[in-house]
Amino acid sequence: EAQVTQNPRYLITVTGKKLTVTCSQNMNHEYMSWYRQDPGLGLRQIYYSMNVEVTDKGDVPEGYKVSRKEKRNFPLILESPSPNQTSLYFCASSSGYRITKNIQYFGAGTRLSVL
Amino acid sequence: QQPVQSPQAVILREGEDAVINCSSSKALYSVHWYRQKHGEAPVFLMILLKGGEQKGHEKISASFNEKKQQSSLYLTASQLSYSGTYFCGTDQTGANNLFFGTGTRLTVIP
Repeated sequence: EAQVTQNPRYLITVTGKKLTVTCSQNMNHEYMSWYRQDPGLGLRQIYYSMNVEVTDKGDVPEGYKVSRKEKRNFPLILESPSPNQTSLYFCASSSGYRITKNIQYFGAGTRLSVL
Repeated sequence: QQPVQSPQAVILREGEDAVINCSSSKALYSVHWYRQKHGEAPVFLMILLKGGEQKGHEKISASFNEKKQQSSLYLTASQLSYSGTYFCGTDQTGANNLFFGTGTRLTVIP
């Protein structure tokens, strides 16, 4: 079954304690991205990756890091989480450049609370 | 680069129609529409490529005016299952790097 898997689904942590949210896809997609969703603000892109070892900042990258060492995995790293990073996070993936029906598939989401 | 959606929210009775608009200040390669149920991941509805095409999906269809960089989503004869938040995502280059609007919350009541 084609899917994007995020872990954990729920996470409560404290300010300053490094954490990683994992994202894995089994569709051999080149493109992957991370979004955060906050009430009234929609989905805002944090980072995206066009392929292995190619990553770039989205609209709200401050306080986040990513890496793309393998095609299937795109972890999101919060080196020193702060309360303003409390949010619902989604990972997404899709096929490469200019494919006609280029659907983005989303993971189930990770709800993060930073105390 | 976030597109602007309108309205922010709409309440319909079953069987009524609705239009959701999405507008960008940038030239677009394509527009994507997604629906999100509360607490769930966004789910793909349709893609519109530049060329002004209109696409349909049961009683949900959409259009894309590339000259105006605007897209509209049409929901006809709404059903309770249409409730959710609708997002448009805009792609400027064809690389499928999407920027999403703030969403339109649609509520269908009996």
